[in-house]
Amino acid sequence: EPEVTQTPSHQVTQMGQEVILRCVPISNHLYFYWYRQILGQKVEFLVSFYNNEISEKSEIFDDQFSVERPDGSNFTLKIRSTKLEDSAMYFCASSEASTNTGELFFGEGSRLTVL
Amino acid sequence: AQKVTQAQTEISVVEKEDVTLDCVYETRDTTYYLFWYKQPPSGELVFLIRRNSFDEQNEISGRYSWNFQKSTSSFNFTITASQVVDSAVYFCALSEPYNTDKLIFGTGTRLQVFP
Repeated sequence: EPEVTQTPSHQVTQMGQEVILRCVPISNHLYFYWYRQILGQKVEFLVSFYNNEISEKSEIFDDQFSVERPDGSNFTLKIRSTKLEDSAMYFCASSEASTNTGELFFGEGSRLTVL
Repeated sequence: AQKVTQAQTEISVVEKEDVTLDCVYETRDTTYYLFWYKQPPSGELVFLIRRNSFDEQNEISGRYSWNFQKSTSSFNFTITASQVVDSAVYFCALSEPYNTDKLIFGTGTRLQVFP
C-alpha cells in the first residue's frame, strides 16, 4: 500500500541550528501538508502546498519556516533557526485532492528535539 | 471560530467492553467535513473516517461505528468489543472546505484497553 515516508524519524539539534525535515508524499498526490504535535498536545496545522506554492499557512508558520518541493518526489520543511519550543513531532501528509474530497495520508512523523 | 472538543482525556476499559469517544465541534459553515484519526503508540496518524455535513447517516465498519448528530454538533465514535490493539490516542478533526484546506484537531482521547 502506498505510504507517505518521512526522514529522519528523530533528530536532535542545538538551539539556533537549521533543520530540514524530508517527506516523500504518495506519488500521484497533488496536495501536501505539514502538521506538528507538541508532546502530549493536539495536532496543529502548519502549512499546505499545492501547485508549487503555499496555499495556506497558520500563525505558527512564521518566517523561520519554509517549505519546498525541490524535485518531483520530495517535500521538505526547513526550520532556519530552531528554538526550544520547536521541539515536536512533525507530520507530513498528502492527498490526491483537497481536504473536502481527498483523504489525508499522514507519514509516521519526524520527532525534533531542540536542546 | 472552528473548534473541536474532545472532553475525555483518557478512557480505560477492559477488553470486550464497548467504549464511546465523544467529539463536539463548532463551525460557522454549513458545509464541512469531520474526521477521526487513530494514533497508535508507534506515533503515526491513521485515517479512520471522513464524513461530510450533509450525510447524517450513521456508519459502521466492523467493530467501529460513528454517530453524527448535526443538531448537537457531535460526531461520536464507538468501538464495540474493544481489543488491546485498540489502545491508542484518537483524534477528531474538522475541516471547512470552502474556507480553508486545513484540519482542526481536537486534543485527543487516549484509550487504554486492558486484557
